[in-house]
Parts: sequence; C-alpha cells; structure tokens
Amino acid sequence: AQSVTQPDIHITVSEGASLELRCNYSYGATPYLFWYVQSPGQGLQLLLKYFSGDTLVQGIKGFEAEFKRSQSSFNLRKPSVHWSDAAEYFCAVGRTSYDKVIFGPGTSLSVIP
Amino acid sequence: DGGITQSPKYLFRKEGQNVTLSCEQNLNHDAMYWYRQDPGQGLRLIYYSQIVNDFQKGDIAEGYSVSREKKESFPLTVTSAQKNPTAFYLCASSPTEVGRGPNYGYTFGSGTRLTVV
Repeated sequence: AQSVTQPDIHITVSEGASLELRCNYSYGATPYLFWYVQSPGQGLQLLLKYFSGDTLVQGIKGFEAEFKRSQSSFNLRKPSVHWSDAAEYFCAVGRTSYDKVIFGPGTSLSVIP
Repeated sequence: DGGITQSPKYLFRKEGQNVTLSCEQNLNHDAMYWYRQDPGQGLRLIYYSQIVNDFQKGDIAEGYSVSREKKESFPLTVTSAQKNPTAFYLCASSPTEVGRGPNYGYTFGSGTRLTVV
C-alpha cells in the first residue's frame, strides 16, 4: 500500500541556518511527489512537485527537493532559513491514476531568531 | 483571482446537530476533496469527487455526507453520527487528466474550524 513517512515530528533551527526535512515513501512505481507548507490556522500551499525528469526540483520561497529512487526519499531543503519559514510541512505522494494524494503526518518547523 | 473559499471560518455545533461546511472554487477544477486535520495526525481524507454528481468515500467517511451538484461547489455535512467532529476541515481542488489524475497538485481553502459545544 501507498504510504508516506516524515521521521521528524518537530525541528528547530536558527535563522540563517540550512534546513533539511525528510520524507520517505512506499510505492511500487515512480510516484508523483509533493511538498506543501501550512501556516497556523491556514490551508496548505504547494511548495514544489516532482513528476519526472531532473531529480532536483526547485520550488517557491527558495525551497528545493531531491528525489532519490534508491532511498525512496524526497527530502526538502533550504540553504538559509528565514523566521517566516516557521510552519508545518507536509510531504505527499500520488499515483499515476485517477485518484487521490496521500499525505504524510507533517513536520513542524520552529525558527530561532 | 481564482481560488477556493471555505465558509464559515469558525463553526460551533451542539450535540446531535447536523452542520454544513461550504466549499466553493472558481478554478474550473474537476476534482474536489475534503480533509480532516487533527493535531499530530496530518490530513485524513473524508470524501472526494472527480466529476459532478459523483463522489467517493475516503478513509474516514463515517458520520459525514457530501454532494456535488455543481462543478464549483462541494459542501460537507457533519452529521450527528460523527461522534468526535471537533477538528480543522480543509477543502481542496485539483485539475484532472486521464492518466495523471490529481497530480498537478492541490489548491487548498483556508479551512473551517469546527468545535462541539
């Protein structure tokens, strides 16, 4: 069955430090992969997505993610975190079917000034 | 600007009462979804619809009902059968394409926070 895990429930980083949020998926074929961000009390916003091609994907707000098939991972990175990046981050996976997307449990990011 | 509008932002339900959450989109998206979000549990799918007059149960459909009479609208009713309805409810939509499904990515509304009083 399809599943998504985000091993880190909560991460705290200092402003200006680099960030990596981990995401692992379970799916038999090449999936469609997404990262979303949610500010408190708000809906989710799509940061980036991977369908095929270059395994390093650029997104909005300076984020990027790398698809590694051998590790079934799709980790999100940012070279320098800003205080406004504090939010909940969700990894999600979709299949090549007329279907729905499965979300991971989320990672909460705190940023220390 | 196109987007998804959820209303109301806050809703209070008494025991034994049915309430309806509104979700309207002007993105011309075919597919629409309802998710429930509880602290520490991520998003759980309640119902989804890929075409007008058709919808499917998600993972936690018990105690909920939906309708899809118009492409733009996908209201969710939380019935009295839902014993623990206090949660944050998110509506989303997506374009669809045969063979790709909803994999363009979702557009989300800003959510409705439902509280039982």
